[in-house]
Amino acid sequence: GEEVAQTPKHLVRGEGQKAKLYCAPIKGHSYVFWYQQVLKNEFKFLISFQNENVFDETGMPKERFSAKCLPNSPCSLEIQATKLEDSAVYFCASYGTSGSTDTQYFGPGTRLTVL
Amino acid sequence: QKEVEQNSGPLSVPEGAIASLNCTYSDRGSQSFFWYRQYSGKSPELIMSIYSNGDKEDGRFTAQLNKASQYVSLLIRDSQPSDSATYLCAVKTGADGLTFGKGTHLIIQP
Repeated sequence: GEEVAQTPKHLVRGEGQKAKLYCAPIKGHSYVFWYQQVLKNEFKFLISFQNENVFDETGMPKERFSAKCLPNSPCSLEIQATKLEDSAVYFCASYGTSGSTDTQYFGPGTRLTVL
Repeated sequence: QKEVEQNSGPLSVPEGAIASLNCTYSDRGSQSFFWYRQYSGKSPELIMSIYSNGDKEDGRFTAQLNKASQYVSLLIRDSQPSDSATYLCAVKTGADGLTFGKGTHLIIQP
């Protein structure tokens, strides 16, 4: 598709429950990024993929967060045993390597609320 | 630790005037610089990208980059009420994810 798609739009979980978010990058884009936005404006980079390979995971809280990008499937971000502080909007972004631009295009986000 | 600093504002500008948004960054190896606009409850939308020193103009928007001073700015000419939003400065080093500033909240007063 021509836009980054993210599902679900909203997700509510009780503390300790699992949350799974999905992202379909723009068709032809080989790089996928996950970001967490808390408190309205604070963006935090979590992880990036080049195709199905993890490219950079320096931002991931590894003990509870995991992510995958498998061929022919949406990418996913999973949070085991959610905590209150995981409440945020999670954005996925993608870009391709054709042309000279490395502009990341953002999806609409998934708002996770942990109660 | 890569850091991107922006004045959080709010920055209030009369309609028709020039809005000037500023950003500094800490990583001298940064190669790509972006300005995104984010309306409340929406995703970031690219306004401008800039890669080399100097000015880059696109319509009412001009991005300025000074790598020696580690400084990026965005000028919005003939400001419109629809320009009211949070403007995010983002910086990228190599294939790393973007490092964002906290954003400047811009208000255009009719």
